[in-house]
Amino acid sequence: EIVLTQSPGTLSLSPGERATLSCRASQNVNNNYLAWYQQKPGQAPRFLIYSASSRAPGIPDRFSGSGSGTDFTLTISRLEPEDFALYYCQQSGTPPWTFGQGTKVEIK
Amino acid sequence: EVQLAESGGDLVQPGGSLRLSCVASGFTFASYWMTWVRQAPGKGLEWVANIKHDGSESYYVDSVKGRLTISRDNAKNSLYLQMNGLRAEDTAVYYCVRGGSDFYDWGQGTLVTVSS
Repeated sequence: EIVLTQSPGTLSLSPGERATLSCRASQNVNNNYLAWYQQKPGQAPRFLIYSASSRAPGIPDRFSGSGSGTDFTLTISRLEPEDFALYYCQQSGTPPWTFGQGTKVEIK
Repeated sequence: EVQLAESGGDLVQPGGSLRLSCVASGFTFASYWMTWVRQAPGKGLEWVANIKHDGSESYYVDSVKGRLTISRDNAKNSLYLQMNGLRAEDTAVYYCVRGGSDFYDWGQGTLVTVSS
């Protein structure tokens, strides 16, 4: 199965700063079928990005995804207070679908 | 508005059984693959199983094959997860999710605890 490794484990930033989250796959993600999700404490995950770089409906344009092959990035251009949360990447290029272990974006 | 409402989570002994249900609304249920994703307490997300629009195909993570069975009833806009031979490692919040590979919408989850 494809193992997704997210880094860093925790990102400490201030509102207004730029956040860059990494997701590295143990093998090529077919068709760049890589998605990103946001999860806040006590809540279900929220769908942010699909196919590496396409924003899900209703997602603000400060969220962007990039990358291909084995290296992918989620960028939040200017952090808003509501963006401090846990972020997961997930691949659906090769079954079984797998998730990364998550990156926590916390307020500095 | 898409709504997914899970139910059926409970405390169950190892080796026991449980059936989770999810009632969907706000979209054409019969047109979508559906998925169960779980999250152990304090841990990350794990894809468990998914099922095609018409129920003709389903897929599972290896750790649950032969023990958990996903099914659906499109007439009732409902998704199910029959859980047999439960183990401590199945303890998790189980989410009902719209989508088969990208996970568009999530329910609030139902907690399954396997413990003696």
